[in-house]
Order: sequence, then structure tokens, then C-alpha cells
Amino acid sequence: EAGVAQSPRYKIIEKRQSVAFWCNPISGHATLYWYQQILGQGPKLLIQFQNNGVVDDSQLPKDRFSAERLKGVDSTLKIQPAKLEDSAVYLCASSLEDYWGGGAKRNIQYFGAGTRLSVL
Amino acid sequence: GQNIDQPTEMTATEGAIVQINCTYQTSGFNGLFWYQQHAGEAPTFLSYNVLDGLEEKGRFSSFLSRSKGYSYLLLKELQMKDSASYLCAVNYGQNFVFGPGTRLSVLP
Repeated sequence: EAGVAQSPRYKIIEKRQSVAFWCNPISGHATLYWYQQILGQGPKLLIQFQNNGVVDDSQLPKDRFSAERLKGVDSTLKIQPAKLEDSAVYLCASSLEDYWGGGAKRNIQYFGAGTRLSVL
Repeated sequence: GQNIDQPTEMTATEGAIVQINCTYQTSGFNGLFWYQQHAGEAPTFLSYNVLDGLEEKGRFSSFLSRSKGYSYLLLKELQMKDSASYLCAVNYGQNFVFGPGTRLSVLP
């Protein structure tokens, strides 16, 4: 089974430039997540899609970040204009809800390799 | 807020046992995950707890106490390849919150 695909792997831009990241989730996974991970910290959820609808974007800086998931499959995350503090790894993950032994719903997230963004 | 606390760093010796703790706010709790992340790589799923008690999976076990807002990941027979960051993540409703991660160094 193919994993979560992300591109590019690395990107270096200057502040105030724009950048876009692409994610292709595991086939059949309804939920897609974008995380920002700053060096030495845990991932911070930016946006979560269920099919092509947004479930949570409360931590997405909407003045500069945007994301879309057309047709409920691939997704793109854009930053425009970039700031120095946007330097981080941007992780995409996908999940398929299943039922754990105790009957609870569970969403195991599978992560892509990430895009390392450096803003100079 | 939904703060999750973990120790920043831990060091242990090859062959030993190490316990990594995680505390979280209990309101809205809907499940807890542990992920392993090697430097420069993506997180990979290790374990899931939603009911109180211990879940064992080979050398790794995870424990949950919902009333205390507490979990731990237990790693036995440590190997050098276990050197990594261990992330505790809590599912609140439909949302996921990750802790800061614990960087484990396994020494020979």
C-alpha cells in the first residue's frame, strides 16, 4: 500500500515570497491533516479535512495560509506571503476511521515525509 | 487550552527499561496515541489507548488512567535504534493535540 506522498521535500524561499505544498493521502482515507512542526516541538495542527470539507482550521493563520482539498483527495497548502517564523517542517497525514477492540472509534494517522521550509 | 506535558529529554542504557510519561487535560478526552519520530523523519504510530489499563505490543507497552489524565509509554530491552522522539497525542472530539515530544537517547 502506498503511503502519504508529499512534495517538495525541501524548499528555500525569501520572506514575503509565496510557497505551495502538495499532499496525496493514502487511497480511501477520508480525513487529511496538515501540521506545522517547528524544530524541537511537537506537530501543531493547522487544518483538518473530512473528505473535502473543513473540520478544524482554528490554528491556521488565515491572513497568510490557505488550504484546499478538491474532490476529497489531494490537498495543497499555501503560504503567501511567508515570514521568517514560518520556517518549519510541514507534515501531511491521513487517516481512516476504524473501530478499536473496545468499540471506540479510532483514527490512526499516517504521516508523509514532510516538506522542510526555510524562509530567509 | 488543551495542554499536554511530557519530559523534554531522557537518557537510558541499551538493554534497560524506560518509562515516558504524558499528562493531559481530561475534558473532552476521546483517546490517546503514542508516536515515534526519528530525527528528520515522519512520526509513526506506536500505540492507542482509550480505556484504562495497559496495552502491550512487543517491547512497547502503553498505560492509561483517564481519571488522572495520565499515560505512559514503557520501552523494554532498549536498543540503539530506539533513540528517537516520542510524541503523546490526545484526541479531543474530532481534534488532535500533540505534546512537545520526549527525546530519548539510548547509550551503549
